[in-house]
Amino acid sequence: QVQLQESGPGLVKPSETLSLTCTVSGDSISNYYWSWIRQPPGKGLEWIGYIYYSGSTNYNPSLKSRVTISVDTSKNQFSLKLSSVTAADTAVYYCARAPVTRDYFDYWGQGTLVTVSS
Amino acid sequence: DIQMTQSPSSLSASVGDRVTITCRASQSISSYLNWYQQKPGKAPKLLIYAASSLQSGVPSRFSGSGSGTDFTLTISSLQPEDFAIYFCQQSFSTPFTFGPGTKVDIK
Repeated sequence: QVQLQESGPGLVKPSETLSLTCTVSGDSISNYYWSWIRQPPGKGLEWIGYIYYSGSTNYNPSLKSRVTISVDTSKNQFSLKLSSVTAADTAVYYCARAPVTRDYFDYWGQGTLVTVSS
Repeated sequence: DIQMTQSPSSLSASVGDRVTITCRASQSISSYLNWYQQKPGKAPKLLIYAASSLQSGVPSRFSGSGSGTDFTLTISSLQPEDFAIYFCQQSFSTPFTFGPGTKVDIK
């Protein structure tokens, strides 16, 4: 059974960098696309970007200048860095898997709440 | 970006009711449309992909239809565990975008 687990600080100060890691178990990280998606409290879902196991990336233009997604195949992990955060970046952050066709997100992590506050 | 809208934004229904949720894309997305169910405090769960394909393990009372710009999710006989928020999502082009959600609650 494929499982994804997000980890990282739950509180980040304004202007600092949010860093999260998603650990994948139950399957290899290879041959899939891996995304980060966020959901502000009580609001809808926003796709942040994805990375292929080979390292190629695609980011949401609305966040592109502040986002970096990386992959560590040896650890079966991928990571998100979001710089210069503000209160508007407060959200539950999910990691999710998509098949090679990138058509849908079939496995999701449980999500982790990141609050931006001083 | 492709904008996704959903209607209604919320609905009240009873167990056993047939429920239909509509999703519309701002441009044609062929059949690149997925539906997810989200319960409070949980991650979204994939129900339907490619507009009408049922994800493995999802009950057959869920079905999807449509292509182009207009899509529907139908629950043929609402069960107690189906009370949740439903989101559509387009995967035609990046940035992938989601609809605002439809909340289904108990009448």
